[in-house]
Amino acid sequence: DAGVIQSPRHEVTEMGQEVTLRCKPISGHDYLFWYRQTMMRGLELLIYFNNNVPIDDSGMPEDRFSAKMPNASFSTLKIQPSEPRDSAVYFCASSLSGSTGTQYFGPGTRLLVL
Amino acid sequence: AQSVTQLDSHVSVSEGTPVLLRCNYSSSYSPSLFWYVQHPNKGLQLLLKYTSAATLVKGINGFEAEFKKSETSFHLTKPSAHMSDAAEYFCVVSVVSGTYKYIFGTGTRLKVLA
Repeated sequence: DAGVIQSPRHEVTEMGQEVTLRCKPISGHDYLFWYRQTMMRGLELLIYFNNNVPIDDSGMPEDRFSAKMPNASFSTLKIQPSEPRDSAVYFCASSLSGSTGTQYFGPGTRLLVL
Repeated sequence: AQSVTQLDSHVSVSEGTPVLLRCNYSSSYSPSLFWYVQHPNKGLQLLLKYTSAATLVKGINGFEAEFKKSETSFHLTKPSAHMSDAAEYFCVVSVVSGTYKYIFGTGTRLKVLA
């Protein structure tokens, strides 16, 4: 398997623009997680899905952030409008229920909002 | 509730000497515990995991960890450090509730001196 795939790998945008991050989980995995990593706050769980359904979005910073999972092989994290404080590395991870819950991480998207 | 504490934010060792990265956990149930490594500008890679089988867990790249219930510890060790081991290491406990959420430690940055 190719592992978790994220795109783009790098994104530079201006404040106020819409940003869309994409994730393809490992085939057959039924859990998908979105994380944000910054120097100040470390790794934060933003939202996670089970069988394409959002289970816990309590980590989503504010209404500017939204996430969808229209099918088992694709998820998006959208920021609209973006702000400089959203600059971070965003990771997607997937796991398989009934196993040990091991999460496999994608390479991340490095976002810079100017 | 589950929690995890990494006792050192930075560790420096000389190449060829042993590595010890310390992690204590708190869990009301038998936990699943993980160590991940993150090299600069990379994603998180699974090093090893404990899931109530053998208490001494062997991982990739010569790392191993021992689960000690009496000490609530899961320290990561390697007999001989290599320059390529320089990275940030995260200890993780998996939330026991079927949700498969992770609780991350704050990370230990390992520096390997030539």
